[in-house]
Amino acid sequence: AQSVTQPDIHITVSEGASLELRCNYSYGATPYLFWYVQSPGQGLQLLLKYFSGDTLVQGIKGFEAEFKRSQSSFNLRKPSVHWSDAAEYFCAVVPSGSARQLTFGSGTQLTVLP
Amino acid sequence: GAVVSQHPSWVICKSGTSVKIECRSLDFQATTMFWYRQFPKQSLMLMATSNEGSKATYEQGVEKDKFLINHASLTLSTLTVTSAHPEDSSFYICSASSSHEQYFGPGTRLTVT
Repeated sequence: AQSVTQPDIHITVSEGASLELRCNYSYGATPYLFWYVQSPGQGLQLLLKYFSGDTLVQGIKGFEAEFKRSQSSFNLRKPSVHWSDAAEYFCAVVPSGSARQLTFGSGTQLTVLP
Repeated sequence: GAVVSQHPSWVICKSGTSVKIECRSLDFQATTMFWYRQFPKQSLMLMATSNEGSKATYEQGVEKDKFLINHASLTLSTLTVTSAHPEDSSFYICSASSSHEQYFGPGTRLTVT
């Protein structure tokens, strides 16, 4: 069955430390891949996306993600976390060529320590 | 660009009443809009897909008579929660689709007392 997995429910890092949030997918073909961030009581903001081409994708707020076909992964990274990055992060996929219906992972809650 | 608004941002209603939530794409036309429901500390659950000028497609387990969706124009979709009950209290988020991306509204917090 098609699925998106975010294995880490909650991650805590210190401000200034590096961050990596994991995302794995299970689809027959490479889907379109997205990372969204959600602050409490807010909607979702798109951080970055991957459709094709260069497997290292740069996004907003200093985030990047790397698509690894061999591992079916699309992990989100940031070299130095800021306190304002504390939020919920969702990985999402759309099967390539589909009717744009997103499937979301379960989310990873990021806590940033001062 | 690609701004989606929702109105209201929060609403409190009494059990048995109906509530309408609007989702608008402000600067683009969206042939497809999506409605999600999110419980506290959980992911988004797709409720229905709304195409302009046609009936919405509901996900399994979502009551179409309870959650009425209308997509009358390329910039507006509405979700009406009919005969609301406390278990309908949730965060409702819409999104509007352009090409392969979805742009999300800020969400509507519904509390049914």
